[in-house]
Amino acid sequence: QLQLQESGPGLVKPSETLSLTCTVSGGSVSSTNYYWGWIRQPPGKGLEWIGSIYYSGSTNYNPSLKSRVTIPVDTSKNQFSLKLRSVTAADTAVYFCVRQGDGGRSFDYWGQGALVTVSS
Amino acid sequence: DIQMTQSPSSVSASVGDRVTITCRASQGISSWLAWYQQKPGKAPKLLIYAASSLQSGVPSRFTGSGSGTDFTLTISSLQPEDFATYYCQQANSFPRTFGQGTKVEI
Repeated sequence: QLQLQESGPGLVKPSETLSLTCTVSGGSVSSTNYYWGWIRQPPGKGLEWIGSIYYSGSTNYNPSLKSRVTIPVDTSKNQFSLKLRSVTAADTAVYFCVRQGDGGRSFDYWGQGALVTVSS
Repeated sequence: DIQMTQSPSSVSASVGDRVTITCRASQGISSWLAWYQQKPGKAPKLLIYAASSLQSGVPSRFTGSGSGTDFTLTISSLQPEDFATYYCQQANSFPRTFGQGTKVEI
């Protein structure tokens, strides 16, 4: 059974870089059938797609975050990551890592989510 | 970006009721629409993809329909475990966008 697990600091200071890692078990980030990505949800609010990556390194990012976000993949560790620079309080959210199936169109597996708070 | 608008924002229902949630896209998205269920403190769960395809393991009381700009999610007979928030998501173009959610309450 595929499992995704987010890890990283739960508290980040304003203007610093938010870094999260998603470890994939029961499957491979090198699979040619899937994309891997990140979605976030501010407390009490809706879902926002951040971006996704294919094992080859090809990426797609939300234009609203594109200038600040990077999603690298490490196939040797079966992990992918999220790096969001210059964070503010508006970036406080639960961050989910996801697998994108159906040709990268829907999110069929989700991590449990990691709450990241931006505060000094 | 394609804007997704769900209605209603919330609905009160009872066990056994038929519940319908609507999602409208700001432009045509063919059948590239997915539906998710989210319970408090949990990650969303994929219910329907490609507008009407039932994800493996999802009960058949969930059905999706529509194409173009108008879509519906129907729960034929509401069960206690179905009380949750439901989101639609367009998969036609980047950036992927979600509706604001519909809370199904008792």
